[in-house]
Amino acid sequence: DQQVKQNSPSLSVQEGRISILNCDYTNSMFDYFLWYKKYPAEGPTFLISISSIKDKNEDGRFTVFLNKSAKHLSLHIVPSQPGDSAVYFCAASKNSGYSTLTFGKGTMLLVSP
Amino acid sequence: DVKVTQSSRYLVKRTGEKVFLECVQDMDHENMFWYRQDPGLGLRLIYFSYDVKMKEKGDIPEGYSVSREKKERFSLILESASTNQTSMYLCASSYEPDRVHEQYFGPGTRLTVT
Repeated sequence: DQQVKQNSPSLSVQEGRISILNCDYTNSMFDYFLWYKKYPAEGPTFLISISSIKDKNEDGRFTVFLNKSAKHLSLHIVPSQPGDSAVYFCAASKNSGYSTLTFGKGTMLLVSP
Repeated sequence: DVKVTQSSRYLVKRTGEKVFLECVQDMDHENMFWYRQDPGLGLRLIYFSYDVKMKEKGDIPEGYSVSREKKERFSLILESASTNQTSMYLCASSYEPDRVHEQYFGPGTRLTVT
């Protein structure tokens, strides 16, 4: 039972355009959401997060939007750069019990010059 | 900066061997985690630990065990390696009181079992 879903395995975008990566979740107990970026042969690195009490969080070129009623979040990258090419993982956490993360399967973003 | 290090970047072992993967973090984090990453499956939690000598099963603990004798070190053990344990193994740590749930990852160990 997949609780965090990233339904697009890959996404191709041209440099300078907007990249939109989507994530859906099923567990209404999730109250904190994170995006990680992973380059090949490296560990994931934290990118941006959002608490369920907010609907938007922005950090430079990266913005995460949360729609709680739809159980949907998205990561916007504007403008996209070739160095953004990586696998992006959506993750969710419950504010109860142990602070573990549930990850989606990831979306590979390719930004072409 | 938080640093999480893993003992090997690449490892090749034979079926049936006992395999130890070591992870060390230098930020005095309470929580440590072991994941495996496989194509099309994302990151799956194997085991985690929230304190020295404490361990909890994750989503896929079968075939694995862990050890946490010191706060900074978390070991993953494959008692008898099998080919279906060929994978990228990622260690992570986090600071419990923060409750931000941000985890810091090591560079990963690519394990091949032949």
